[in-house]
Amino acid sequence: AQSVTQLGSHVSVSEGALVLLRCNYSSSVPPYLFWYVQYPNQGLQLLLKYTTGATLVKGINGFEAEFKKSETSFHLTKPSAHMSDAAEYFCAVTKTGNQFYFGTGTSLTVIP
Amino acid sequence: ETGVTQSPTHLIKTRGQQVTLRCSSQSGHNTVSWYQQALGQGPQFIFQYYREEENGRGNFPPRFSGLQFPNYSSELNVNALELDDSALYLCASSSSGQPNTEAFFGQGTRLTVV
Repeated sequence: AQSVTQLGSHVSVSEGALVLLRCNYSSSVPPYLFWYVQYPNQGLQLLLKYTTGATLVKGINGFEAEFKKSETSFHLTKPSAHMSDAAEYFCAVTKTGNQFYFGTGTSLTVIP
Repeated sequence: ETGVTQSPTHLIKTRGQQVTLRCSSQSGHNTVSWYQQALGQGPQFIFQYYREEENGRGNFPPRFSGLQFPNYSSELNVNALELDDSALYLCASSSSGQPNTEAFFGQGTRLTVV
């Protein structure tokens, strides 16, 4: 079975501070991992993905994530938060590509 | 290239009615997936279509059905609507069903069942 757990349904950071959104996965085989962002009344936009190769993945808008197999984690980070980063973030896992399992999401608030 | 478009954007239906949601996939994409996103939750996989054939289904009852057309656009049909079907329905298209290909999401259809 595959699943992801996002720790913290709400995260608040000050503008310019480090953003850390946590995701742990459960998979019986090496997974493919994704982070998506959703702005209000919008669909999902891909931030970054891990399929194979380098475990540190860089995405759009300055975000990056590191795949740590030993910790079954794929946490999302950004060194300096911007007001425009305020949104809902979803971690997702897939084994085959035809079915994604999403976490329950983390709402990021950026405080000016 | 055009993105993924869904119609309608908002819809209100009465319990027991039937609804059809539509999705136009991105140019060059032959795979369409449908997800249900209840308020405050992550998207839940309904099913996927690849080259007009169903290619995987999530834990949804048979009253959720789909179709993919030769131009790879797709429909999601829900019969006998229930109040719990109220959600944002998302369509995603990709160039294949492989995990290393990016899925592009539409803006969704907000369905309210009263």
